[in-house]
Amino acid sequence: KAGVTQTPRYLIKTRGQQVTLSCSPISGHRSVSWYQQTPGQGLQFLFEYFSETQRNKGNFPGRFSGRQFSNSRSEMNVSTLELGDSALYLCASSPPAAGGRSYNEQFFGPGTRLTVL
Amino acid sequence: EDQVTQSPEALRLQEGESSSLNCSYTVSGLRGLFWYRQDPGKGPEFLFTLYSAGEEKEKERLKATLTKKESFLHITAPKPEDSATYLCAVQSDQTGANNLFFGTGTRLTVIP
Repeated sequence: KAGVTQTPRYLIKTRGQQVTLSCSPISGHRSVSWYQQTPGQGLQFLFEYFSETQRNKGNFPGRFSGRQFSNSRSEMNVSTLELGDSALYLCASSPPAAGGRSYNEQFFGPGTRLTVL
Repeated sequence: EDQVTQSPEALRLQEGESSSLNCSYTVSGLRGLFWYRQDPGKGPEFLFTLYSAGEEKEKERLKATLTKKESFLHITAPKPEDSATYLCAVQSDQTGANNLFFGTGTRLTVIP
């Protein structure tokens, strides 16, 4: 089974621009979560989408947004980029709940390295 | 508020020298504790999920255990290829499903 894929892998933007990152989950996974990873803050949850609806949201400003399509692919958008947005952006997908559990392990993609100049 | 603390921050081992990594947590209603391995420039790779105190899981040279306050990742006779950052994360009543709250990781270096 193919893993989570993210495009592009690397991106360089300047302050004030906007950027869109894409994520394709593992086949059959309907939940997609996004994380930001920086050396200072570590891995932080941005938001989660399930069946095209945002189901959970972290503590990030409204400049960070996302969406999910009917095929479970997801995009995240960052508007008005700031220097502090430079980070590795990771997407993770989760399999359908099993055994009565609604909490499942997440499988991560390779990430998109965003550099803001 | 949920808290996850990993120790040590960095660990250097000789090849074959066994050791343990610690993940202490304070959460409201633990739903799952997860261990991941991350190599530089890559996404985290899933290792284990533990759901209840007393649970143990093993994979090759790694063994994860869980108590009500902490989890340990035991590494037996490590090899240089085990060098990576090991991340611990929790899901709780506060985080909700599919939202992992991560510790800052332990950077492991295994010297040949």
